[in-house]
Amino acid sequence: GAGVSQSPRYKVAKRGQDVALRCDPISGHVSLFWYQQALGQGPEFLTYFQNEAQLDKSGLPSDRFFAERPEGSVSTLKIQRTQQEDSAVYLCASSPGAASAFFGQGTRLTVV
Amino acid sequence: GDSVTQMEGPVTLSEEAFLTINCTYTATGYPSLFWYVQYPGEGLQLLLKATKADDKGSNKGFEATYRKETTSFHLEKGSVQVSDSAVYFCALSDSTGGSYIPTFGRGTSLIVHP
Repeated sequence: GAGVSQSPRYKVAKRGQDVALRCDPISGHVSLFWYQQALGQGPEFLTYFQNEAQLDKSGLPSDRFFAERPEGSVSTLKIQRTQQEDSAVYLCASSPGAASAFFGQGTRLTVV
Repeated sequence: GDSVTQMEGPVTLSEEAFLTINCTYTATGYPSLFWYVQYPGEGLQLLLKATKADDKGSNKGFEATYRKETTSFHLEKGSVQVSDSAVYFCALSDSTGGSYIPTFGRGTSLIVHP
């Protein structure tokens, strides 16, 4: 597709459940970012990939969060043993390099 | 570290009013500056950008000028419409460390009444 695609759009998880969020970036974009956006807040950086290499994961809030991009294209953000404080919108963005980032529509995660 | 500060909202205006949303930044290098817009239930869309001092970014009647001396990138529009109601995010992208990771402000909600 022409834009960044994220799935699912909405996810309800029971506390303690593992979830996997998918991001399909714009074809050919080298850089891929994951952000967490709490209600009424700006996006907070989680992690950054350049091709398949995870160059920065300083924003991941705990070791329950894990991201991968094994072939330098599609990326998955995994959250293990979800907690209520993980409820947020998870945004993925891609960029061709030192340029503007293009965002997907996000995945709204609700942990009950 | 890098940071972006935006004026708090909501900003409430009548249609055709003049809009200013203030944004200031702190960065160690020479960042590019951006404004993104987020409509309800959607992701962020790039509205405009400026890559160096004194550049003016513009799109859809919105504009912002990169002011290095005041470290500011204020968003303006001469005549707002109801359809401009959204949340606006100021952001910067700095090449420090070789990565261009966008850093965002908290967002400013704009409500335009008919």
